[in-house]
Amino acid sequence: QKEVEQDPGPLSVPEGAIVSLNCTYSNSAFQYFMWYRQYSRKGPELLMYTYSSGNKEDGRFTAQVDKSSKYISLFIRDSQPSDSATYLCATMMKTSYDKVIFGPGTSLSVIP
Amino acid sequence: DTGVSQDPRHKITKRGQNVTFRCDPISEHNRLYWYRQTLGQGPEFLTYFQNEAQLEKSRLLSDRFSAERPKGSFSTLEIQRTEQGDSAMYLCASSLASSTDTQYFGPGTRLTVL
Repeated sequence: QKEVEQDPGPLSVPEGAIVSLNCTYSNSAFQYFMWYRQYSRKGPELLMYTYSSGNKEDGRFTAQVDKSSKYISLFIRDSQPSDSATYLCATMMKTSYDKVIFGPGTSLSVIP
Repeated sequence: DTGVSQDPRHKITKRGQNVTFRCDPISEHNRLYWYRQTLGQGPEFLTYFQNEAQLEKSRLLSDRFSAERPKGSFSTLEIQRTEQGDSAMYLCASSLASSTDTQYFGPGTRLTVL
């Protein structure tokens, strides 16, 4: 079993739709949870960073963490064509070197 | 531009050749990471530096791979005797050590081994 799993998609939605991206993880020792956005042929860009269970909102983006079920979600409201990218969920244990463990990513296309 | 930079952006080489990549982290960041990303997968951790000290290496990093960060600033990743399986995007990230600071990624070096 991989440590972080995501549905790879591709996911295609019309402009303005609400997008829900989901991720599960296996190790209850993971303490930090991130969502990165990666455009084609670019490096990952940090979108959201959370520590505890609950919701965190930033503009059109909401990250949700449920540690009891080891489930992470990212919601995108009023999706735009510029949101078309691969979304990587990631987790991290607080160790001596903070290795980030990524899921395989979900490819999202927002159609105008 | 004050972000993480990597050079070259693309490298095509023949099997058996040696290649070297460079990463320049964000200037005040003392932690530097190398990751490898293959098509359809998320980045996988390779190695980590705290200043000039290499403190962790993944089992993915075979003996043909070596990384250095001689003055605690830029870092190089060398692959000797490249194999087709080395074809991937090599990503560098940096962060501060003083908190649970996040890692900021560079644009990556895309390696193609023919």
